[in-house]
Amino acid sequence: TQLLEQSPQFLSIQEGENLTVYCNSSSVFSSLQWYRQEPGEGPVLLVTVVTGGEVKKLKRLTFQFGDARKDSSLHITAAQPGDTGLYLCAASTSGTYKYIFGTGTRLKVLA
Amino acid sequence: NAGVTQTPKFRVLKTGQSMTLLCAQDMNHEYMYWYRQDPGMGLRLIHYSVGEGTTAKGEVPDGYNVSRLKKQNFLLGLESAAPSQTSVYFCASRPGLQGVQPQHFGDGTRLSIL
Repeated sequence: TQLLEQSPQFLSIQEGENLTVYCNSSSVFSSLQWYRQEPGEGPVLLVTVVTGGEVKKLKRLTFQFGDARKDSSLHITAAQPGDTGLYLCAASTSGTYKYIFGTGTRLKVLA
Repeated sequence: NAGVTQTPKFRVLKTGQSMTLLCAQDMNHEYMYWYRQDPGMGLRLIHYSVGEGTTAKGEVPDGYNVSRLKKQNFLLGLESAAPSQTSVYFCASRPGLQGVQPQHFGDGTRLSIL
């Protein structure tokens, strides 16, 4: 069974701090996505990475796919209360219809 | 712009009762998915469908059945509800296998089994 482990599971920080969330697996994936979920809503896609070593930026969020395509990280610079939510990584292998989701990182940014 | 709509939003059942959760998407997507979300476990795939009339098992299919009689609808059934099925259920859809396509999620159905 393929597993995606996210760390940390919970994170509470002050506004303006930086943070990094990790998504790790022993399996190789063809693509990896990051989602953010807010209370009472479904996950919403932030980014998709497909190439080993790929780095994508979305405003203050920086996403990286590991060289071996087994892991990924999400770095937030100068976190804001609006960044509060559950961050989920999801990965798929080539030719499959399914995504495996990570265990999630619950982030709270205090004003 | 409705996207993915799940009904009902909340439901409380007694052990042994049955019910059907409905997922409807208006984006003409080929693939549809049912997940359950439990604390500390992320999203786990229950069943999925790659097209009208087709269904397949995911990671945790036991106790659930699904049907996809129309392309836009994906139904999740609980024949005899158990307390272990208390969860938040999410439906998702996406266009197809070509390229890397994001999943579009509904807002979930919160189900409690007493």
